[in-house]
Amino acid sequence: DTAVSQTPKYLVTQMGNDKSIKCEQNLGHDTMYWYKQDSKKFLKIMFSYNNKELIINETVPNRFSPKSPDKAHLNLHINSLELGDSAVYFCASSQSKPRTSGRWTGELFFGEGSRLTVL
Amino acid sequence: TQLLEQSPQFLSIQEGENLTVYCNSSSVFSSLQWYRQEPGEGPVLLVTVVTGGEVKKLKRLTFQFGDARKDSSLHITAAQPGDTGLYLCAGPPSNDYKLSFGAGTTVTVRA
Repeated sequence: DTAVSQTPKYLVTQMGNDKSIKCEQNLGHDTMYWYKQDSKKFLKIMFSYNNKELIINETVPNRFSPKSPDKAHLNLHINSLELGDSAVYFCASSQSKPRTSGRWTGELFFGEGSRLTVL
Repeated sequence: TQLLEQSPQFLSIQEGENLTVYCNSSSVFSSLQWYRQEPGEGPVLLVTVVTGGEVKKLKRLTFQFGDARKDSSLHITAAQPGDTGLYLCAGPPSNDYKLSFGAGTTVTVRA
């Protein structure tokens, strides 16, 4: 039984289209994330939700909109897709949320990734 | 500008050899984590180091956190083809809580 599952695993679409990627975790974690991994394998955080509340919102075009209907689900919707959006998008979860005080050592559990190709 | 710099970017060695991967920063980190990512999969956590100077061992893998908590290393002894993968270091800077990732080191162990 997959802990963090994303769908679809592969997505090929034309520029200008709108697409969504879904993520579900069955670990009972409170915090979920979206990361983008570019062609050079660099992982960059995009968003994070804790118990359905947005807690991290990095500098990402507003064409990207996350939505968390409940703490086990975090979806990513992308409007007006551009060539530069081509990447692997990873969903992740952690038991606790990142905190500014003390040392946060939360382990991230990643999904298998969703490879988005924009033509 | 990346907070965490990893070196080397690529490493190809023969089975049985040893290797070391480095993760460096000019910032102090609250903790550092090492992940391994295999093709078509998401990263999987290997270890978290928290205390400056800390050394942790995981079978043939040895992880070290620098005394000043600005750097870390991963040493693999007698590498095996199963060690092949992308090794990523990650951590929250002490003045922030968001996890930053290094660009990774791609390790290939030839049989």
